[in-house]
Amino acid sequence: GDSVTQMEGPVTLSEEAFLTINCTYTATGYPSLFWYVQYPGEGLQLLLKATKADDKGSNKGFEATYRKETTSFHLEKGSVQVSDSAVYFCALRGTSGSRLTFGEGTQLTVNP
Amino acid sequence: DTGVSQDPRHKITKRGQNVTFRCDPISEHNRLYWYRQTLGQGPEFLTYFQNEAQLEKSRLLSDRFSAERPKGSFSTLEIQRTEQGDSAMYLCASSITRGPPGDGYTFGSGTRLTVV
Repeated sequence: GDSVTQMEGPVTLSEEAFLTINCTYTATGYPSLFWYVQYPGEGLQLLLKATKADDKGSNKGFEATYRKETTSFHLEKGSVQVSDSAVYFCALRGTSGSRLTFGEGTQLTVNP
Repeated sequence: DTGVSQDPRHKITKRGQNVTFRCDPISEHNRLYWYRQTLGQGPEFLTYFQNEAQLEKSRLLSDRFSAERPKGSFSTLEIQRTEQGDSAMYLCASSITRGPPGDGYTFGSGTRLTVV
């Protein structure tokens, strides 16, 4: 079945540092890929998405590129801010259904 | 429209009691999903509806769990004879089928269930 694996966390960075959160997936066909963010006490919010190979999703300075050859969708940001502190989830939606399959999440803490 | 609403935000119940949660999706969204999230884990799919029809159920949804969406609008998730292992955040999300296939969902803030 479909699965998503995220890098082990938590991740702690200083403000303005470079961020990478790794995400790899297993799925048949060409799934759609997503990054969601969850701030404390809030629901999940869609951060960015990509629907086909080599697509780059971007939002709020975050980027991720759909790499079919490595089955990866790593999240990057060039300069993180304290306000980026949250839990980040990589997810996929397979071609055969509507459900989302999530990774286990990565807690990011950015210190001033 | 204020997005996806879930009620209650928190629920504490004794083991063996029944609980019911409510979800009000975005009004024009015809698909509605339930997920469960335990501490330190990603959300896990439970079930989804298209309009009033329940189209898919996860194996996680034991016979103690039942979900309904009687008029294709709000949905309820009931857990009977709760167990401590049911303690989790229950998330509702909605989406629209005529959107692009890559569209994600809109999630509610969740109902946190604690079984004591």
